[in-house]
Amino acid sequence: NAGVTQTPKFQVLKTGQSMTLQCAQDMNHNSMYWYRQDPGMGLRLIYYSASEGTTDKGEVPNGYNVSRLNKREFSLRLESAAPSQTSVYFCASSEEWAGRLSGANVLTFGAGSRLTVL
Amino acid sequence: RKEVEQDPGPFNVPEGATVAFNCTYSNSASQSFFWYRQDCRKEPKLLMSVYSSGNEDGRFTAQLNRASQYISLLIRDSKLSDSATYLCVVNMYALNFGKGTSLLVTP
Repeated sequence: NAGVTQTPKFQVLKTGQSMTLQCAQDMNHNSMYWYRQDPGMGLRLIYYSASEGTTDKGEVPNGYNVSRLNKREFSLRLESAAPSQTSVYFCASSEEWAGRLSGANVLTFGAGSRLTVL
Repeated sequence: RKEVEQDPGPFNVPEGATVAFNCTYSNSASQSFFWYRQDCRKEPKLLMSVYSSGNEDGRFTAQLNRASQYISLLIRDSKLSDSATYLCVVNMYALNFGKGTSLLVTP
């Protein structure tokens, strides 16, 4: 019962470095998401992929890129890390896109990736 | 006005107490509502969906008031293990998360 697996769990970067957060789910879900969570800000959507082959911007996409590699995997890339990107990043998945009205799609989250940019 | 608003707390209650949280939302067209629970330094997990008629799961009761645009979560007979942050989630063309209400249940 792996669910959603994120790597790495912890990472420290210097300003300007790049890195990729990996996410994989084994529940055959169609939709996947990347959120960031900061103190006092709650969870904010960075990017999402409603289905394999599509990606869309969320609330805070600047400074990030994503790739839906296949149905299972959805990666988040920071091309040039900035201190403002210090955060906890959560990957999530759902059977169908959670934004559908009248949908009752539940998000399953990964354990999170704690990123510090110095 | 923020789309989903919650009182951040913290709510400090003794074991066995009943505690209630409210969450207000701005878009009257919202269709789906949820409560998630997040333990310290862990991922959010679904606690319960909120249905129009209200629903109960053991010690937890969720209610929806569409006229006043709020949802509520009632926890009866609080346990130490209920200590967590409770996130209100509202579906408005995307899932919108509240910032969470912190609950601390003390012995």
